[in-house]
Amino acid sequence: DAKTTQPNSMESNEEEPVHLPCNHSTISGTDYIHWYRQLPSQGPEYVIHGLTSNVNNRMASLAIAEDRKSSTLILHRATLRDAAVYYCILPGGTSYGKLTFGQGTILTVHP
Amino acid sequence: DADVTQTPRNRITKTGKRIMLECSQTKGHDRMYWYRQDPGLGLRLIYYSFDVKDINKGEISDGYSVSRQAQAKFSLSLESAIPNQTALYFCATSGSGALANTGELFFGEGSRLTVL
Repeated sequence: DAKTTQPNSMESNEEEPVHLPCNHSTISGTDYIHWYRQLPSQGPEYVIHGLTSNVNNRMASLAIAEDRKSSTLILHRATLRDAAVYYCILPGGTSYGKLTFGQGTILTVHP
Repeated sequence: DADVTQTPRNRITKTGKRIMLECSQTKGHDRMYWYRQDPGLGLRLIYYSFDVKDINKGEISDGYSVSRQAQAKFSLSLESAIPNQTALYFCATSGSGALANTGELFFGEGSRLTVL
């Protein structure tokens, strides 16, 4: 899997937008970009994924740079429940679905 | 009911004992995985199976074995548990074929294992 780099931690205030960055300079042309999050005491959960175009769903938006070497997960209005570890992952390869989780970004949301 | 169910949720055992962690899923997925999570190390893949007759080693398979009894069931065994296998274990599933392109994994709630 291609390597990703994320900040160790970020902080936000409730009701404010949060932009979580991810660098993936070695991404290949066929690599999808996936984001997962892990709430305290729970298993990871899928957030969003994309290939080239920006993507939106009910949980978040994914903004992908034009050269695809970086992406940003956007939480439009952070809530206390969004406090979690966020993982940016590029599965790729033939063993699709065999995801490698790095250390992710710990997001703290302040009331 | 959860789509991916792990049992037991918590287990304390002693060094040398045999332990089995079980995973069952109701999502109808072909692919199943076992991950281990240690503090500060993210999740690491132990074993994965893309169908009932397929078993593959992940990053850290030493000291573990698995059994895919049916499409819906995937068990992880520690034949002789040791203290450094103390960790949080997660089972996950994903679709195959066209579903595989979404890369979406569905995780269980985890099994916390303590080896004394």
